[in-house]
Amino acid sequence: QKEVEQDPGPLSVPEGAIVSLNCTYSNSAFQYFMWYRQYSRKGPELLMYTYSSGNKEDGRFTAQVDKSSKYISLFIRDSQPSDSATYLCAMSPRNDMRFGAGTRLTVKP
Amino acid sequence: SQTIHQWPATLVQPVGSPLSLECTVEGTSNPNLYWYRQAAGRGLQLLFYSVGIGQISSEVPQNLSASRPQDRQFILSSKKLLLSDSGFYLCAWSDGHSGNTIYFGEGSWLTVV
Repeated sequence: QKEVEQDPGPLSVPEGAIVSLNCTYSNSAFQYFMWYRQYSRKGPELLMYTYSSGNKEDGRFTAQVDKSSKYISLFIRDSQPSDSATYLCAMSPRNDMRFGAGTRLTVKP
Repeated sequence: SQTIHQWPATLVQPVGSPLSLECTVEGTSNPNLYWYRQAAGRGLQLLFYSVGIGQISSEVPQNLSASRPQDRQFILSSKKLLLSDSGFYLCAWSDGHSGNTIYFGEGSWLTVV
């Protein structure tokens, strides 16, 4: 079993849809949770950062962490074609980062 | 603010030729530095990380090596490239104290022919 599981997709949605991206993990020591967005042929950019459990909102993006279920989510409201990218979840106990394989998202106009 | 620069962005190299990818970080001191490889359709594979000058840890035995000649400079090298070395290489850094968030460079696309 991988430490971090992420459905690779691809996921295709119409513009304006609410997108839900998810990861599960097995290591209960993980405390820091991140989401990265990676456009084609570019390096990943940090999108959301959350410490421990709870929700964090930034504009159209909401990150949720449920440590009891070892499950994290990223929600994108009012999705736009510019949101088309690969989204990677990442987590660590402190400074030993583990990444999901990434979910490829396409938002169609 | 901190920035990370990585070059070259794209290169095509013949099998058996040497490789040198360079990365520098600005706006911070004593960062942790990383080299990752991302094969097509696959996740990120950590190749090397460094917590200080001359301190390199290798995660995967392979045809590559890394060096950190200066605090904010990280170099990925190979003496003889293999076809299997093709891929997308990413340099990254994290704060040397907290280290719980990694920031990536733009990446280098390597095609070995």
